[in-house]
Order: sequence, then C-alpha cells, then structure tokens
Amino acid sequence: QKEVEQDPGPLSVPEGAIVSLNCTYSNSAFQYFMWYRQYSRKGPELLMYTYSSGNKEDGRFTAQVDKSSKYISLFIRDSQPSDSATYLCAMSANTDKLIFGTGTRLQVFP
Amino acid sequence: NAGVTQTPKFRVLKTGQSMTLLCAQDMNHEYMYWYRQDPGMGLRLIHYSVGEGTTAKGEVPDGYNVSRLKKQNFLLGLESAAPSQTSVYFCASSKQGVPNQPQHFGDGTRLSIL
Repeated sequence: QKEVEQDPGPLSVPEGAIVSLNCTYSNSAFQYFMWYRQYSRKGPELLMYTYSSGNKEDGRFTAQVDKSSKYISLFIRDSQPSDSATYLCAMSANTDKLIFGTGTRLQVFP
Repeated sequence: NAGVTQTPKFRVLKTGQSMTLLCAQDMNHEYMYWYRQDPGMGLRLIHYSVGEGTTAKGEVPDGYNVSRLKKQNFLLGLESAAPSQTSVYFCASSKQGVPNQPQHFGDGTRLSIL
C-alpha cells in the first residue's frame, strides 16, 4: 500500500464549477500538507501549504486537512480553463523529505 | 531571476551509456533534491543534499550518483544507463528542509534509454 493515495483522474469539469481534489494517507506522523500544481511539461509549483488539521483559504483555493480520517482536500471555486493541470498532494512528517501523491489531472473546459 | 535550471531538457541514451544531468539554482538555497516522475508512481526522491559537499539517499537511489561541489549546483549521474531509468527527472531546491520552506522545481529533463 502506498503511503499517499490519489485518484489519477482525469477529472473534467465545465468552467465555473467547484472542483474537489482529494488524497488519503496512511502515516499518522504526517503533519505538513501541501498541494502542488503542475502544468504540462513544467515542474510542480507550490499552491497551498497547511500545518496539521484545519482549513486554509487563498483566493479561489481552499485546502482542508482531516487528520482523524487521514484525508486532505483541495477545493477550487469558479474553476477556469487556466486551472487545467495536474494537482499533486505532498506530505511530510517533519523530515527533510516530501512524499508525493501520483497526481490528479484536471481539465476545465469553456 | 532564473530559479532552478536543468540541462539538458531532453536526451536519448543507449543501454550502458553514462551521462550527467545538471541542476543549477540562483536562489542561494541550502537544500537541493533530485526526483524522478513516472506514470502511476508520482514523484520519487532519488538523492538530496542539505548543503554544499553533502549528499544523502532518497527513496530510489540505486543506479544513480550525485555530487554537490558548489552550493548552486547539484549533479545527477547515471554510470550505466538501463531502460528502467527512462523517466522525467526533476531537480528542486529549498531554503531549508521541508516542511518550513517550499521546494522550487525546474522544468525537468526527459530521458529515454533504448
């Protein structure tokens, strides 16, 4: 079993929809949770960062962490075609290393 | 400000050949990382460095060597390339080790081993 599980998609939604992306994990030591966005043929870029449980909002993006369920989510409101990318969750247990999910490919069509 | 630059961007090798991938960062970051990204496997850490002159093994280090002779450069070597090393390789750097600082990624090197 992988430490971090993520549905690969693709997830296809119309412009303006609310998108929900999710990851589950098995290591209860994870405390730091991140979402990276990766455009085609580009490197990942950090989108959201959350420590421990709770919510964090940044513009149209909201990250949620539920440590009791070992489940994290990224919500995108009013999705735009420019949001079309692969979204990677990543986690750390206060070490030098990040553990990445496999990524979910999102397509937002006009 | 270039950030993290990887060279080359593409390369095709024959089995048994050797090559070196170069990563350069201009952000004065202490930490540097090499990952490989494969379909269905996500990003996996190969080796990393916590400062000039240091290296450490990641999740999948076999078949690779690294060197960090200068703070701004991190080299990944394949001594005898194998088809299983066909992948997209990403270099990243961060000011400090996770989780305190985000990792900044280059745009990858696409490597095919025939």
